[in-house]
Amino acid sequence: KAGVTQTPRYLIKTRGQQVTLSCSPISGHRSVSWYQQTPGQGLQFLFEYFSETQRNKGNFPGRFSGRQFSNSRSEMNVSTLELGDSALYLCASSPTSGGDYNEQFFGPGTRLTVL
Amino acid sequence: DQQVKQNSPSLSVQEGRISILNCDYTNSMFDYFLWYKKYPAEGPTFLISISSIKDKNEDGRFTVFLNKSAKHLSLHIVPSQPGDSAVYFCAASASGGTSYGKLTFGQGTILTVHP
Repeated sequence: KAGVTQTPRYLIKTRGQQVTLSCSPISGHRSVSWYQQTPGQGLQFLFEYFSETQRNKGNFPGRFSGRQFSNSRSEMNVSTLELGDSALYLCASSPTSGGDYNEQFFGPGTRLTVL
Repeated sequence: DQQVKQNSPSLSVQEGRISILNCDYTNSMFDYFLWYKKYPAEGPTFLISISSIKDKNEDGRFTVFLNKSAKHLSLHIVPSQPGDSAVYFCAASASGGTSYGKLTFGQGTILTVHP
């Protein structure tokens, strides 16, 4: 089975712009979670989608949003970029819904640099 | 408030010896724990997990121990190999609706295995 894929791998934007990141989960996985990794804050949960519905959201401003499509692919969007948004954005997929004990499998990440 | 803590930023071990990585948590709602390994510029790779109903889980060279009363878990790698050199993250999750798809990560421990 192919793993989780994320595009693009690297992105450079300027302050005030917006960006869209894409994630394709492992085939058959319906839950997709997004995380932000920075040197100062570590790995922080952004949100989770299952069957096109956001079921959980972390403590991030409304500039961070996402969606999931019927084929379980997911996108996240960051509007009005700030310097502090520079980070590695990781997507992870899981085979079933929350409440079950399931591992999450991560993609390689998208490295976003905001200038 | 950091709910999952890895108090050792780094660990250095000789090849063939045991590596012991430690993790403490504060949230008593956590009932599932995972260890991930991460190389630079890659996403975390799942290693091993344990449910709160167990106190030990073993997979090859990797064993995870859980002490619920102390809110402590550890990962043992025996024997350690140079290829194990990476950053190791402890993560925890809670079952239930408000925790869907959310892993809470520690800050990571850099393991270096010397030949």
